[in-house]
Amino acid sequence: KAGVTQTPRYLIKTRGQQVTLSCSPISGHRSVSWYQQTPGQGLQFLFEYFSETQRNKGNFPGRFSGRQFSNSRSEMNVSTLELGDSALYLCASSLATTGSNSPLHFGNGTRLTVT
Amino acid sequence: DAKTTQPNSMESNEEEPVHLPCNHSTISGTDYIHWYRQLPSQGPEYVIHGLTSNVNNRMASLAIAEDRKSSTLILHRATLRDAAVYYCILRDYGGATNKLIFGTGTLLAVQP
Repeated sequence: KAGVTQTPRYLIKTRGQQVTLSCSPISGHRSVSWYQQTPGQGLQFLFEYFSETQRNKGNFPGRFSGRQFSNSRSEMNVSTLELGDSALYLCASSLATTGSNSPLHFGNGTRLTVT
Repeated sequence: DAKTTQPNSMESNEEEPVHLPCNHSTISGTDYIHWYRQLPSQGPEYVIHGLTSNVNNRMASLAIAEDRKSSTLILHRATLRDAAVYYCILRDYGGATNKLIFGTGTLLAVQP
């Protein structure tokens, strides 16, 4: 079974631009969540989707948005990029959200550098 | 959300057992204890989880204190590949969310 796939692996953008990151979950997984990892703040939850609906959102500005498609694939978008948005963006998929017993399976992330 | 406390770093020798502690004194009755690890240049990887009883799987064992205020992840024979940051996380099984709150974790170094 293929794991969680994130594309692209690396990305370099300029301040003020926008970026879209893609995540393909494990086949059959309907829940997708996104995390930002920086050296200073560690791993922080961005948002999660289940069956195309956003179920939970972290404490990030509105410049960060996401969506999920009917095939469970997900994208996240960051508009008006700032230097502080440089980070590793991780996507995780899971079978379900109920019971908190479904482990999360993470991709290896997209490394975004904003210059 | 209930918090966990872990040592910042630990060292082990290859092929020796490693005991990674985690304190979670404010754990609620509906919180599961989950462990993930993150190897260099990779996303986090699920290791094990438990509620009250000790748990074993092919990767590790989880020992949970009787009062559930602490737990220990046990790697029976550390290998160089086990060098990673280990995160202890509480997840409310009553909540319909996959939001994980990561702390700073424990950086495990394994010496050959």
